[in-house]
Amino acid sequence: EAGVAQSPRYKIIEKRQSVAFWCNPISGHATLYWYQQILGQGPKLLIQFQNNGVVDDSQLPKDRFSAERLKGVDSTLKIQPAKLEDSAVYLCASSPTGGTGLRAFFGQGTRLTVV
Amino acid sequence: GDSVTQMEGPVTLSEEAFLTINCTYTATGYPSLFWYVQYPGEGLQLLLKATKADDKGSNKGFEATYRKETTSFHLEKGSVQVSDSAVYFCALLRKAAGNKLTFGGGTRVLVKP
Repeated sequence: EAGVAQSPRYKIIEKRQSVAFWCNPISGHATLYWYQQILGQGPKLLIQFQNNGVVDDSQLPKDRFSAERLKGVDSTLKIQPAKLEDSAVYLCASSPTGGTGLRAFFGQGTRLTVV
Repeated sequence: GDSVTQMEGPVTLSEEAFLTINCTYTATGYPSLFWYVQYPGEGLQLLLKATKADDKGSNKGFEATYRKETTSFHLEKGSVQVSDSAVYFCALLRKAAGNKLTFGGGTRVLVKP
């Protein structure tokens, strides 16, 4: 089966510019996650969707980050304006809703460098 | 809230040595537990998992046992190879919290020939 697709793979922008990342989850997966992984740290959950509803966005810096998942399928994460500390890998993951084999599948990530 | 604590690295070993990476968690209820691995330049991959107490997950010679009484899920491998050099992440998923997935900080392992 096709995996989680993310684009772009790499992005370099200047501070105060805006940027958007795209994620297409595995077909049929109701749950979609966006994580931020700063170099040398574990992934930090930014936002979690169940279908097109938000389950958890408690760690999303809402003054500059936004995310949407229209029609409960693919999703975009936007940063506007970007700061130097936003340099990180942004990971998208998806998981099915139920079943005993519950686990998350990760995309390759988008590496963002803010200069 | 949910949290995962794992030993800090880097852990440096010689080939064929025994590897242990400690992981403990805090969560209500009965989470599923996972070890993910991130090889240099690659994305996160699931290494093994356990969904209930006393379950043992295993894959590629790695093992971890879900210990409810000590809230732990330590990763072990009896004889490491150079190709096991990677960053290892312990994680928990709570279905009752809408499949919330929480990661530890990661442990970098370097295996020298």
